[in-house]
Amino acid sequence: DTGVSQDPRHKITKRGQNVTFRCDPISEHNRLYWYRQTLGQGPEFLTYFQNEAQLEKSRLLSDRFSAERPKGSFSTLEIQRTEQGDSAMYLCASSLTTSVDTQYFGPGTRLTVL
Amino acid sequence: QQQVKQSPQSLIVQKGGISIINCAYENTAFDYFPWYQQFPGKGPALLIAIRPDVSEKKEGRFTISFNKSAKQFSLQIRDSQPGDSATYFCAASGGTYKYIFGTGTRLKVLA
Repeated sequence: DTGVSQDPRHKITKRGQNVTFRCDPISEHNRLYWYRQTLGQGPEFLTYFQNEAQLEKSRLLSDRFSAERPKGSFSTLEIQRTEQGDSAMYLCASSLTTSVDTQYFGPGTRLTVL
Repeated sequence: QQQVKQSPQSLIVQKGGISIINCAYENTAFDYFPWYQQFPGKGPALLIAIRPDVSEKKEGRFTISFNKSAKQFSLQIRDSQPGDSATYFCAASGGTYKYIFGTGTRLKVLA
C-alpha cells in the first residue's frame, strides 16, 4: 500500500493523559498536513510541514499540541493533558510541491477522551 | 473571508438521478477547488478538482462547474448509484496550501 498511513487507527484515553499519533506520508511527498475533524464537520487545518520545517500552525493548535517531522519523512502529533474537547478524528495528508496542490489523506486516527 | 459555505447539508436522490452540491467562497486568493468523498470511519478521498481558469471539468460521472464572478462552484453526480452514498466535502486553497473545507453534504442514493 503506497497511500498515507496513520497509526493508531483508534485511541481511547483518559482526560489528562498524553497521546501521540504517527503519520507516514506517500513516499517522496515533501508536504505533510494535519487536520482535525469533529463529527458532522469538515476537516479543520492544524499545521503543515514542508520537509522537516513546520511552516504554519493554526490557532486551533494550542500549547498542548505539538507536531514534528524530524527527518522530513514521517510525522508525529502529540497532545498533552488531553481534554474531552480533543475527541475527534485526526487526519494526515501529504502532497508534492510539484503537483497542483492535491492532498492525499490517510484513514485518520479516531481519538476518544473519557 | 476564509469560510467555504456548502449546501445542502443532506441530499436524498433516487438511483440514476442527478445529485448537485453547491459551494461558495469569498476569498479571491483561493485558486484550487477540490471535492472529496468520505465514507464513515475513513479519510477523505479526492474525487475531482478544478482551477479558476476553467469553467467546467468532467471526470466520468462527476462534473465540477465553476463560476468565478459569483465565487461559486458545484459538484454534479450523474447516474447516482447507491455506492455513491457518502459525505461530500468541497474545499478551497490558495497561497498557503492549507485547505479550507465546507461543512459537508451527506448524500443518500436510494436503490
